Amino acid sequence: DIQMTQSPSSLSASVGDRVSITCRASQSISNYLNWYQQKPGKAPMLLIYAAFSLQSGVPSRFSGSGSGTDFTLTISSLRPEDFATYFCQQNYNTLLTFGGGTRVEIK
Amino acid sequence: QVQLQESGPGLVKSSQTLSLTCTVSSGSISSGSVSSGTYYWSWIRQPAGKGLEWIGRIDKSGSTNYNPSLRSRVTISLDSSKNQFSLKLSSVTAADTAVYYCGRHFYDRSGYLTNDYWGQGTLVTVSS
Repeated sequence: DIQMTQSPSSLSASVGDRVSITCRASQSISNYLNWYQQKPGKAPMLLIYAAFSLQSGVPSRFSGSGSGTDFTLTISSLRPEDFATYFCQQNYNTLLTFGGGTRVEIK
Repeated sequence: QVQLQESGPGLVKSSQTLSLTCTVSSGSISSGSVSSGTYYWSWIRQPAGKGLEWIGRIDKSGSTNYNPSLRSRVTISLDSSKNQFSLKLSSVTAADTAVYYCGRHFYDRSGYLTNDYWGQGTLVTVSS
């Protein structure tokens, strides 16, 4: 299995802050990396695919970068609706694996 | 857009078999390969307060892939006539207590998972 490690596991930030979340794969996955947002009681929602491509309808304040083993999700200016948990996911292998999640909380 | 809805018992006794069905609407489960990629019908679970675990997937031909950690206990099947697909997980224990999601994953021709739809999820509790 490809292990995905996210950091931090949680962070506190204010509206308007720039926030970055990192994800590291246990082996190179090229850019087969997706980012999801999950709110309590809801299914995850795909934000970014192929490491940096924005899913249709997702605000441009979300961006992704990276390749190989190290990836970053950045929210340029945090809005109230962005407080949620974020997961990375590799789809390099048929066996999809996810990071442990980063909870973004209001400071 | 396609919609998915999980259904099945919310409580299963330990050592028994968990059975869930996902009903697909506004889209045919027989959709498979299109010129731009391939659809797969998947199951993913999430224990309370924890991360996501991919269980497995099936394509329109009935070809399956399973998580090796669950392979000996999992069966995913397709019923095109009902536009449904199903999950069976045998010999369950408390560790199988989770919210179970069904989903449709689209992989483009380069193999990137570029689009997906998820059901709302259903909580299954394994009791002793």
